[in-house]
Amino acid sequence: RKEVEQDPGPFNVPEGATVAFNCTYSNSASQSFFWYRQDCRKEPKLLMSVYSSGNEDGRFTAQLNRASQYISLLIRDSKLSDSATYLCVVNVWYDMRFGAGTRLTVKP
Amino acid sequence: DTGVSQDPRHKITKRGQNVTFRCDPISEHNRLYWYRQTLGQGPEFLTYFQNEAQLEKSRLLSDRFSAERPKGSFSTLEIQRTEQGDSAMYLCASSLTRGSATSTDTQYFGPGTRLTVL
Repeated sequence: RKEVEQDPGPFNVPEGATVAFNCTYSNSASQSFFWYRQDCRKEPKLLMSVYSSGNEDGRFTAQLNRASQYISLLIRDSKLSDSATYLCVVNVWYDMRFGAGTRLTVKP
Repeated sequence: DTGVSQDPRHKITKRGQNVTFRCDPISEHNRLYWYRQTLGQGPEFLTYFQNEAQLEKSRLLSDRFSAERPKGSFSTLEIQRTEQGDSAMYLCASSLTRGSATSTDTQYFGPGTRLTVL
């Protein structure tokens, strides 16, 4: 079993749709949690950190459930520019463990 | 540009050759990380440095892989006797930590070096 598992996708949604990504992790010692975005053939870029209390950044909402070892990302009112691969990342000390990513395509 | 930079951006080599990649972190960052990413997968951690000390290297893929950060600034990743299976994107990231060796912090990635081994 992979340490960080994500919906493989791809997700193909129309502009304006709401889309949710799920991620589970197996290491209960995990300390920090992130969502990164990666455009095709580019480097991953930090989208947002994830906290147990939930956090929101504009159209993006992230949630962490430590008891279930589950992380989510919700994108509301999706834009064409949201098309990318979304990587769930779990951190234990220096060690960042990435999921394989979920590919999102937003269509006009 | 004050982000993480990597050089070269692309490298094509023949099997059996040695290759070396360079990473320049964000200037005030004390931690530097190397990752490998293959198609359809997330980045895979290889090694990391805090200043000039290499604090974790057990995840380097084989003894053909080595990394250095001699002055605590830029780093190099060398692959000796390259194999076709080494073809991948090699990513460098850096972060600033003010905590202990076990603290976590946000990592910022460079654009990567894409290696193709023929």
